[in-house]
Amino acid sequence: GEDVEQSLFLSVREGDSSVINCTYTDSSSTYLYWYKQEPGAGLQLLTYIFSNMDMKQDQRLTVLLNKKDKHLSLRIADTQTGDSAIYFCAGFSGGYNKLIFGAGTRLAVHP
Amino acid sequence: DAGVIQSPRHEVTEMGQEVTLRCKPISGHNSLFWYRQTMMRGLELLIYFNNNVPIDDSGMPEDRFSAKMPNASFSTLKIQPSEPRDSAVYFCASSLEDNQPQHFGDGTRLSIL
Repeated sequence: GEDVEQSLFLSVREGDSSVINCTYTDSSSTYLYWYKQEPGAGLQLLTYIFSNMDMKQDQRLTVLLNKKDKHLSLRIADTQTGDSAIYFCAGFSGGYNKLIFGAGTRLAVHP
Repeated sequence: DAGVIQSPRHEVTEMGQEVTLRCKPISGHNSLFWYRQTMMRGLELLIYFNNNVPIDDSGMPEDRFSAKMPNASFSTLKIQPSEPRDSAVYFCASSLEDNQPQHFGDGTRLSIL
């Protein structure tokens, strides 16, 4: 089954770029997702990438997928204090329609 | 466009009591998921339904937990009897189909005293 791993914490200065990394084990997942969770709220779907793509850009967000290394990253340009949250990557477990989430990366943005 | 709606947002009750959590998925979505989130275990899938039929309930912790989806617009997760270790945030999510992006509700924060 799928296993998804993320670093737990990232601290950046306001205005800098943030890069959140994720590794996964199951290469059969058709889509890979990034979710954002703010305190006291549910998970908000930020963006997703189809497995046959290498990169997807959406305004300040850039998703990079390295299928060979099973590595997914989320880059946030010009990070703002409003970007402070927990970011989860997720992928489907092969053969099962079950979305497996990483433990989440807590992004702290400081002035 | 209404998202996934969960109720109540917060529930505090004493151990042994029955707890019922409710979820209204996004209209037109055929798959519905119940998750539990805790600091220790992160986000865990409890059960998911496709076209109102339970497909995978392997994440349901024990017989005290049950879930139903009587129609396409409503689902419940019930805990009876509740225990302090059930304290967590419970999320409901829905998707067009079960291999499509999932959209989450704001969750129910459950505290069992």
